[in-house]
This record gives sequence, structure tokens and C-alpha cells, in this order.
Amino acid sequence: QLQLQESGPGLVKPSETLSLTCTVSGGSISSSSYYWGWIRQPPGKGLEWIGTIYYSGSTYYNPSLKSRVTISVDTSKNQFSLKLSSVTAADTAVYYCARRLVVAARGAFDVWGQGTMVTASS
Amino acid sequence: EIVLTQSPGTLSLSPGERVTLSCRASQSVSSNYLAWYQQKPGQAPRLLIYGASSGATGIPDRFSGSGSGADFTLTISRLEPEDFAVYYCQQYGSSPYTFGQGTKLEIK
Repeated sequence: QLQLQESGPGLVKPSETLSLTCTVSGGSISSSSYYWGWIRQPPGKGLEWIGTIYYSGSTYYNPSLKSRVTISVDTSKNQFSLKLSSVTAADTAVYYCARRLVVAARGAFDVWGQGTMVTASS
Repeated sequence: EIVLTQSPGTLSLSPGERVTLSCRASQSVSSNYLAWYQQKPGQAPRLLIYGASSGATGIPDRFSGSGSGADFTLTISRLEPEDFAVYYCQQYGSSPYTFGQGTKLEIK
């Protein structure tokens, strides 16, 4: 059974870069059938799509965050990563990694990690 | 960007009741690529419905989705105690993929 697990620092100082990794187990990140994505949720608020990556390295970002976001993939480690630069308190959120199918009709996020809380504070 | 508006914000209901949640888009959702998720406190969202009306794997058949264009609904035919949660709609037809603000189902 496919599982996703986020990891990374829970506290980031304002103006610094948030870095998270999602480790995929029970399946290959190099499958041609899936995209891999990041979604975040500020405390008590709704969900925001950050971006998505294909195993080949093709990326798709939310324009609202595009200037600060980099998503990368390491197929040898079965991981993909998120970097968000110049963080502010507004970036405080639970960050989820998730999988979506390439087939457009089924392209909702069907498998999610448990999420990791990241706080931007000095 | 497509804005999704869910209504109502909160619903207070009893187990056994039927409920319909609404999700309205600011413009037509491409190919009806609309999903519904359930989220319980401290948990990740769980996919219920994709393509507006197709049930995800392992989802009980009391959950059903309908709609097209810009108006979509999620219906729970008979509420079970475990169904009290927050429900989100999401469109994945055009980038950026966007979510509604959520509808909270609480026990009356």
C-alpha cells in the first residue's frame, strides 16, 4: 500500500527558506501514472495547492507562490521535495504531500501524507 | 483562477439524516473535474468523489456526487456518526487547482 511521509524542520525563521521532503513507500515515484504534489493548510483554514511534479522533473506551480517555490524529485531515493523561500508568518501551515493520477479525469489527490506543521517565527 | 464557494458554512444534523452540500464555481469547471474530500480533526483530507460523480476506492455508497458546469453537490444519503467532519470541494480542471473554503458537518 502506497504511503507518503513528510519530513523537515517544524520551525523556520522569517525570511529564511522552508524545506520539506516527502518519502514515498510501497510504490515507485518513477511511475508514469502519477504526479506528486504539495498542498498546505494554515491553522483553522482551508487548503491551498502549492505545486506538482512529474518524475521526469516537469513542474507546475500555483502562480500565487511561483516566485518563491521550487519542487524537485530524487528518483533514486523515491522522494520529492519542497522549498519555499522568504517565508513569513503567513506561510505557517500544515504541509501535505499527495499523489494524483496523470489521467486527467481521475486527477484528484487520492493518496495523502499525514501532514507536517511548519511554523514561521523568530 | 476559479473560486469555489461552498454552502452552507456549517450544518448541524443528526445521524440518519440525509444531507446535501453545495459547491459553486466562479466559472465552468473544465470537463467537470471536481472532487470532494472529507477531513477530520488532525487528519489529512480523504478523497471521496472525483470527476464530479465517481466514487473513490473504498468509499461507502452513501456518498454521491452530482452536478456539472459550475454547480456541484455532495449528498450523504444517511449520516453515520463517523461522517461528521469538514468537507471540501476542489477543481482540478484548470491551474491553479483550487479548493472551496469547506462545509463543517456537526452533530446536532
